[in-house]
Amino acid sequence: SQTIHQWPATLVQPVGSPLSLECTVEGTSNPNLYWYRQAAGRGLQLLFYSVGIGQISSEVPQNLSASRPQDRQFILSSKKLLLSDSGFYLCAWSAGPGQGGNTIYFGEGSWLTVV
Amino acid sequence: DQQVKQNSPSLSVQEGRISILNCDYTNSMFDYFLWYKKYPAEGPTFLISISSIKDKNEDGRFTVFLNKSAKHLSLHIVPSQPGDSAVYFCAARAYNAGNMLTFGGGTRLMVKP
Repeated sequence: SQTIHQWPATLVQPVGSPLSLECTVEGTSNPNLYWYRQAAGRGLQLLFYSVGIGQISSEVPQNLSASRPQDRQFILSSKKLLLSDSGFYLCAWSAGPGQGGNTIYFGEGSWLTVV
Repeated sequence: DQQVKQNSPSLSVQEGRISILNCDYTNSMFDYFLWYKKYPAEGPTFLISISSIKDKNEDGRFTVFLNKSAKHLSLHIVPSQPGDSAVYFCAARAYNAGNMLTFGGGTRLMVKP
């Protein structure tokens, strides 16, 4: 069965510091990968999605970036965090092209507090 | 422009009664709809889905209804249980957007014992 893991689960970072959240998926190949954010009291906002290694699409302009160095690894980064980057970040996956399936599955989430 | 809206931020229901969560959308290209349930500090979990070729899909206590002409869908939970207390997100996929989902803002359901 497929599983998705992301870490760290929680972190507190000062303004201006870098960020790296990592996500890996197991049990599937060539998945579509996503980074979402849920800000306090708000819905889920798509930040980045990837259909393959090195292929990243950004949905929202911001100081965050994403990379996919391996097929089942997705990384969310920032060089300098802002207070407004605080939130709950969720990695997710769905079946890749031709593999069927319309459902997106989420990781456990990472709480980021920028202070 | 919010393409998927959940106009009720919260809903309180007595245990054993029916919970009805509503969702409205504006994009005519949406052809697949999903409901997710989210507990605090956890990732959302998939609950139930419906294709636009259907108007109803049932799975145990959960039923999703789709009214395409009104661009409206609803999730019914019968009977409601305290463990159902969570935030519920409605999501939609456009047929020309791969697996990209657009989420509503969520509705917090509280089921009172």
